[in-house]
Order: sequence, then structure tokens, then C-alpha cells
Amino acid sequence: DVVVTQSPLSLPVTLGQPASISCRSSHSLEHSDGNTYLNWFRQRPGQSPRRLIYKVSNWDSGVPDRFSGSGSGTDFTLKISRVEAEDVGIYYCMQGTHWPYTFGQGTKLEIK
Amino acid sequence: EVQLVESGGGLVQPGGSLRLSCVASGFTFSNYWMIWVRQAPAKGLEWVASIKQDGSEKKYVDSVKGRFTISRDNARDSLYLQMNSLTADDTAVYYCATTQRDRPFDYWGQGTLVTVSS
Repeated sequence: DVVVTQSPLSLPVTLGQPASISCRSSHSLEHSDGNTYLNWFRQRPGQSPRRLIYKVSNWDSGVPDRFSGSGSGTDFTLKISRVEAEDVGIYYCMQGTHWPYTFGQGTKLEIK
Repeated sequence: EVQLVESGGGLVQPGGSLRLSCVASGFTFSNYWMIWVRQAPAKGLEWVASIKQDGSEKKYVDSVKGRFTISRDNARDSLYLQMNSLTADDTAVYYCATTQRDRPFDYWGQGTLVTVSS
């Protein structure tokens, strides 16, 4: 199975400051169809997960543009340009290229 | 408004069975792959199973293969997960979801808790 590793696992951030989460996979996530199926999800406390970014850098509906995704191959990053209080939660990267699809361990973002 | 509503969770003894259901509304259910994802207490997310629009293709994570069966009834806009030979490791919140990997379409239910314990 493809192993997806996130860092850091804990991310204390001051309101208004940027934040960055790294995601590395054990295999290239470039699919034979030419797409790279790397997604980012957020799970707020007590809520279901919600996807923020699909195919590395594409926003899901309603996602603020302060979120951005980048990367290729095995190395990916989620950036938040200015953290707001509503961004608190656990962020997961997830690869949808190789079955079984796998999630990273999660990065807990909290406000300092 | 898209809604996914799971039911069927509960307490079951090791070796027992349970059938989860998920009723969809607000979108054309038969047009989308559907999935089950689980989350053990205070743990991360695990993709359990996926099913194609017409039910012709099903995929399972190795840990549930041979024990769990995903199915759907497009006439009833419903997704199911039949879980047999349950063990304590299957204790988790089970989410029904549809998350399309190539377009901005991602919806999750509220989850249903399955507890396997004697």
C-alpha cells in the first residue's frame, strides 16, 4: 500500500499568520491518465471530514482562496496564507491514485 | 441540498454482523461512485470500500476483504455496508460519502458508530 506521511503532526499557529503542512508519499501519485490524485481534507472537532483541495491544487466548492495546494510526484504541501479561527481542526492528505486509497496520519492545527 | 444519512450502527459482539445503510438526497445518486470511510476512536481516517455507479465494480481495503460487502440500490438512493465476522478492530465511526476525485463534488454523512465488544 502507498504510505502517506504528514508533517508536522501538531501545528500551533497565531491568528493571521501563515501555516504549511507537508505530505509525502511512498510512491509517485501521478496516475497513468496523467492526473495526480492528491487531496486535502479538514475535520473540525465533532464534525465529518470535508475535502478542501483535489488533484493537488484545485479548490472544492466554497473553499476560501487563502488555502492553496501544490506539489508533484511524491511531495505535496497545503498552505494557509492567513490562519483564521475557523481553520482549527485536523488536516489529512489523501492519495486517490493507487488502490487502496490512503490517508496521512493527520495534522492538528490549533491557535496559539 | 445534498444529504447523506447513515443508520444501522450500534453495539455488537465479536464475531457478529451488522448492516449499515445510507440514504442519499439532493443529487442524482446513480451518477456517482459511493464510498465508506471509517475512523476508529481518536484515530485517523481509513477508506474502507468503494462502489461504482451501477454496482459493477467494488473495491475493499485488505483488512475487510471477505468480511464486508458494499452494495447499493439506485432505485432507493441507498448505499449499504454488510459487515460480518466483526472484531474489536472494526470499532469506529463509519461515514458514507461521495468524493469524486476529478471534480469539486464531495459530501459526507454525519457518521454512525459501530462498537464491537462483549
